[in-house]
Amino acid sequence: EPEVTQTPSHQVTQMGQEVILRCVPISNHLYFYWYRQILGQKVEFLVSFYNNEISEKSEIFDDQFSVERPDGSNFTLKIRSTKLEDSAMYFCASSDAAGPTKETQYFGPGTRLLVL
Amino acid sequence: QKEVEQNSGPLSVPEGAIASLNCTYSDRVSQSFFWYRQYSGKSPELIMSIYSNGDKEDGRFTAQLNKASQYVSLLIRDSQPSDSATYLCAGNFGNEKLTFGTGTRLTIIP
Repeated sequence: EPEVTQTPSHQVTQMGQEVILRCVPISNHLYFYWYRQILGQKVEFLVSFYNNEISEKSEIFDDQFSVERPDGSNFTLKIRSTKLEDSAMYFCASSDAAGPTKETQYFGPGTRLLVL
Repeated sequence: QKEVEQNSGPLSVPEGAIASLNCTYSDRVSQSFFWYRQYSGKSPELIMSIYSNGDKEDGRFTAQLNKASQYVSLLIRDSQPSDSATYLCAGNFGNEKLTFGTGTRLTIIP
């Protein structure tokens, strides 16, 4: 069964450093998302991406964040200058554009980011 | 601000019994709802989606949606210890993102 994959599974970084989190969405999906979950809190939407551009973003997704689809398979989230409060689990998700199941989003295993 | 509310639990249910998980939402412009299961330290795993009023059954799981009451529920029949997890209710309110509740922690007691 096709699945979303993410690398790395864990990332430890120093405050102020740049990190890039990588995702490979399900191959025939056209909508891509990043969410994060701070330990013990709810899953929060960061950004959605379609047709090579951001289609929606939350207030969390400020100028320190960016997304890119550098090739036909990868989808990346970059945090330019990490803060302590960026420590969280980051989930990539993707969905199929067609029909009533368009909104069904499938999540990757996540990257646990720890900022020291 | 569109919100999804869940009782955080914990909810304890004996093995073999029915577990009932509830979720309410604040916006009448609802499109679809989803139940995800999340084991500790893992990612959300889709269990059920529901788009229209009424019941939807899939194996031991039944999702119920009542748009007039702004209420979504998930029933798990014949609960198993492997069902012990946090259950996340999420709604799509006409845009592209999912809005999640805080989740209900379910424990199945053998």
